[in-house]
Amino acid sequence: DAKTTQPTSMDCAEGRAANLPCNHSTISGNEYVYWYRQIHSQGPQYIIHGLKNNETNEMASLIITEDRKSSTLILPHATLRDTAVYYCIVRVYTGANSKLTFGKGITLSVRP
Amino acid sequence: NAGVMQNPRHLVRRRGQEARLRCSPMKGHSHVYWYRQLPEEGLKFMVYLQKENIIDESGMPKERFSAEFPKEGPSILRIQQVVRGDSAAYFCASSPRTGTDTQYFGPGTRLTVL
Repeated sequence: DAKTTQPTSMDCAEGRAANLPCNHSTISGNEYVYWYRQIHSQGPQYIIHGLKNNETNEMASLIITEDRKSSTLILPHATLRDTAVYYCIVRVYTGANSKLTFGKGITLSVRP
Repeated sequence: NAGVMQNPRHLVRRRGQEARLRCSPMKGHSHVYWYRQLPEEGLKFMVYLQKENIIDESGMPKERFSAEFPKEGPSILRIQQVVRGDSAAYFCASSPRTGTDTQYFGPGTRLTVL
């Protein structure tokens, strides 16, 4: 799977949008971008994934650049409960290689 | 629809004892994955199982660790003769159809070896 790079940490004010960047410059055509988060040692929580097009669900939006070398996870109205480590993972969606490779992630701190 | 269940949530063992960690996947899921998170480190893949089959065990330590996912019942991660370095959080995830579907994680088992 392609390697991803994320800033170590960032913060945002409660109620504002949180934009979390991720670089994946070596991504292949059959690799998806996945986002998970881990809130204080709980089990990782799936957020969203996408291939080429932008995606939105009840939790977040995922914006993928046209060249697919980077993406941004957007939490539209961050709350204190969104404070967590967010992992950007690039993963092949076909074939037998099913494991998720977690990096260090980005620590998001939402301040009151 | 219940999520992935793991038990026990906390497990304390003395050096040399055996640890058994159980994982019940989400209903309808037939693929199970185990990950380990050592203190202050990221999550590392250990093993991927389908019912009665080990598909990928490339992340499993060569000795003392084993995993199974029987036809009936939960998946079991077994650690024999535990050492202090085995102290970690062990997370199980499951996915529905194929190994490439989205994985959903359980709350984890925190193993402490005294």
